[in-house]
Amino acid sequence: AQTVTQSQPEMSVQEAETVTLSCTYDTSENNYYLFWYKQPPSRQMILVIRQEAYKQQNATENRFSVNFQKAAKSFSLKISDSQLGDTAMYFCAFMILSMDSNYQLIWGAGTKLIIKP
Amino acid sequence: DSGVTQTPKHLITATGQRVTLRCSPRSGDLSVYWYQQSLDQGLQFLIQYYNGEERAKGNILERFSAQQFPDLHSELNLSSLELGDSALYFCASSVSAGVSDTQYFGPGTRLTVL
Repeated sequence: AQTVTQSQPEMSVQEAETVTLSCTYDTSENNYYLFWYKQPPSRQMILVIRQEAYKQQNATENRFSVNFQKAAKSFSLKISDSQLGDTAMYFCAFMILSMDSNYQLIWGAGTKLIIKP
Repeated sequence: DSGVTQTPKHLITATGQRVTLRCSPRSGDLSVYWYQQSLDQGLQFLIQYYNGEERAKGNILERFSAQQFPDLHSELNLSSLELGDSALYFCASSVSAGVSDTQYFGPGTRLTVL
């Protein structure tokens, strides 16, 4: 079964600190895409960053970067200089080819991140 | 703002009733996805449409149905509603239906069944 695991249900850090959220996945595919989405208290689902599996270079979007370890099937999200607005639920997701030959996003259970002032 | 719109934002109804949720994808996007998110849980994929045709089905109940119209907007119909159907329903859209397609989410419709 193709799965996404987020092992940290909840984390909290002080404002301006750096925090890393972990995500591991399981697949036998070679070509796939990985995503991090955030869901703030407003419940809007917002794309944070995405990574193509065939690219060795880690994706970066401003204060957000990933550490993609393909062999280890790990895709962690690093948030630098964390801000109060980063408080949200963070979901790791993984695009796979499903059994009916369609691409489907598989979601982790989420990590609740709290940034403290 | 993702460019995906959903109406209504909130919906309160009674058990046994039927409701319709509406979604307009981003301009140029051909795929529409529906997800259900119950309180404090992750997203459950319900169904995907691509250019007017059903493309993939997830954990969608038989009481639920969806369609995508020629103008590419989509509707999710929920019937014989039960208390457990109370959830946040998201629509997402993407350019096509490939492995590289990023899904952009609408603001969601919060359904409360009393």
